[in-house]
Amino acid sequence: DIVMTQTPLSLSVSPGQPAAISCKSSRSLLYSNGHTYLYWFLQRPGQSPQLLIYEASKRFPGVPDRFSASGSGTDFTLKISRVEAEDVGVYYCMQSKQLPLFTFGPGTTVDIK
Amino acid sequence: EVQLLESGGTLVQPGGSLRLSCAASGFSFSNYAMSWVRQSPGKGLEWVSSISGSGGSTYYADSVKGRFTISRDNSRHTVYLHMTGLRAEDTAIYYCANDRGEYPDCFDFWGQGTVVTVSS
Repeated sequence: DIVMTQTPLSLSVSPGQPAAISCKSSRSLLYSNGHTYLYWFLQRPGQSPQLLIYEASKRFPGVPDRFSASGSGTDFTLKISRVEAEDVGVYYCMQSKQLPLFTFGPGTTVDIK
Repeated sequence: EVQLLESGGTLVQPGGSLRLSCAASGFSFSNYAMSWVRQSPGKGLEWVSSISGSGGSTYYADSVKGRFTISRDNSRHTVYLHMTGLRAEDTAIYYCANDRGEYPDCFDFWGQGTVVTVSS
């Protein structure tokens, strides 16, 4: 099974400052069709998760452009250019390369200083 | 607007059974795979099961294989999760989520979740 890890597990950021979360997979998430099956989700306190990024770097419709993501193979990064209060929550990366088994990272908790 | 509304969660005894439902609206239901993802208290996310848009293909996590059954009624725009042999470790919020194609690939939109508690 593909194992997902995230660092850091918690992050405290001042409003307006940037933030970055790393996600690593135990095997490459690049599929033979050229797509990379890595996703990022945000779960705000008391809410359901929501999709932020799909296929490693594509913003889901409606996601603010202060969120960006990059990476390939086994190493990926989610960046927030200027953290706002509404960005507080737990961020999860997830792989769907090894279908039908989806696996999530442990989550990174982001709060405001 | 995509809406997913889960129901059926409750307190159930170990070994018991339960059926969860997820009513969908706002998209062409039969064209898209649907999935269940759960979150144990204070824990992370765990994929549970998925079903293709036609219902012809189903997929399960090892932790629930043989105990849970996913199904769908495309005429009712509803996906179900029939759970048997429930264990304490099945206690969680159960979310349904829709996908972007006929076969499971990602979780684009999520419902608000329904709470299952397995306890005597």
